[in-house]
Amino acid sequence: AQKITQTQPGMFVQEKEAVTLDCTYDTSDQSYGLFWYKQPSSGEMIFLIYQGSYDEQNATEGRYSLNFQKARKSANLVISASQLGDSAMYFCARGGRGSYIPTFGRGTSLIVHP
Amino acid sequence: DAGVTQSPTHLIKTRGQQVTLRCSPKSGHDTVSWYQQALGQGPQFIFQYYEEEERQRGNFPDRFSGHQFPNYSSELNVNALLLGDSALYLCASSASSYEQYFGPGTRLTVT
Repeated sequence: AQKITQTQPGMFVQEKEAVTLDCTYDTSDQSYGLFWYKQPSSGEMIFLIYQGSYDEQNATEGRYSLNFQKARKSANLVISASQLGDSAMYFCARGGRGSYIPTFGRGTSLIVHP
Repeated sequence: DAGVTQSPTHLIKTRGQQVTLRCSPKSGHDTVSWYQQALGQGPQFIFQYYEEEERQRGNFPDRFSGHQFPNYSSELNVNALLLGDSALYLCASSASSYEQYFGPGTRLTVT
């Protein structure tokens, strides 16, 4: 099975600072997509950002950006100017060829300190 | 505009029983996917429904079955419940795009 690896079980960041959440993946596909989701304690998964494997520029959505390094098979999420409401679980996911069914990593717990 | 809704919120069942979980997709969405999320894990894909047919299926036994209705709402049925079926069950809807909208989930506890 093609795997998503999130090596940081927990991360801590000071409010207003930037934080990077790591994600590496394996795939034999040429065309695929990478996603990040946020899951607060309420349980709902919130879509944050998407990167296509053929996209030449790194994806950005407001305070979220994706540092995509295709050769290294990494897709790290950068959150700028952290806010207390960013405290949550963050999941990296990969979609396969011709489908957008994501395979999820185990997640990183982010805690933002005031 | 209502997002994805799921019912019930919480459920407690006994081993061997059967359970039905329900999902209403976001308005305008025609595709519904179901995921199982065990504690401390990422969601695992169960199956996806489109036009009332199961389009894709993950690595789950036949005890897990589903249905999609003409109004695009969906049900997940699990028969012969095992303790290991205890998890958060997430429903997600989409409309021919990569962006899936998730519901709040149903927390199933099997005792």
